[in-house]
Amino acid sequence: GENVEQHPSTLSVQEGDSAVIKCTYSDSASNYFPWYKQELGKRPQLIIDIRSNVGEKKDQRIAVTLNKTAKHFSLHITETQPEDSAVYFCAAIGSTNAGKSTFGDGTTLTVKP
Amino acid sequence: KAGVTQTPRYLIKTRGQQVTLSCSPISGHRSVSWYQQTPGQGLQFLFEYFSETQRNKGNFPGRFSGRQFSNSRSEMNVSTLELGDSALYLCASSTGLAGGQETQYFGPGTRLLVL
Repeated sequence: GENVEQHPSTLSVQEGDSAVIKCTYSDSASNYFPWYKQELGKRPQLIIDIRSNVGEKKDQRIAVTLNKTAKHFSLHITETQPEDSAVYFCAAIGSTNAGKSTFGDGTTLTVKP
Repeated sequence: KAGVTQTPRYLIKTRGQQVTLSCSPISGHRSVSWYQQTPGQGLQFLFEYFSETQRNKGNFPGRFSGRQFSNSRSEMNVSTLELGDSALYLCASSTGLAGGQETQYFGPGTRLLVL
């Protein structure tokens, strides 16, 4: 089955700096890669996603890149703010496993004011 | 549209008991997935239902089961509870029609504590 590895497990940055979180996946059939943000005590919320036919997607301060050949994708957050502090999860889904997201173990991002 | 809802939000049970959790998806969504979230294991997929049929299953023992009703609401049941079943149980809904390439929307979760 699919396996997703996520690094780093914790990340601390100064406000205004950039943050990068990386994930690798094992199943070449995976074709959809969402990123979720989970604040303490709250549900995971989608912040950005990318499909396998796209190499990069950007939404204001957040961007995601996908390298299908290397089977890795990354989340980039620029100009970080204290409210970006949360746990971030990457996930992978394949067309034959609709509804079954395989998640990375999460990255706890702390943005220091 | 109303979001995904889950009931109850909190549960305390003792070992050996059974529990049933409920999830109501976003209106029009026919796929409901269940996940177990623990500090040590992260988010683990339990199973997914689409149009009342289990379409995908994770690697959990048979004590974990589920079903889906004709209105797409889903229930998850855990029998013979063990201490290790203490976790946040999240459900997520989607239309289920995009071949996997679509967003799953999560409910607030049910926090289960087994004593």
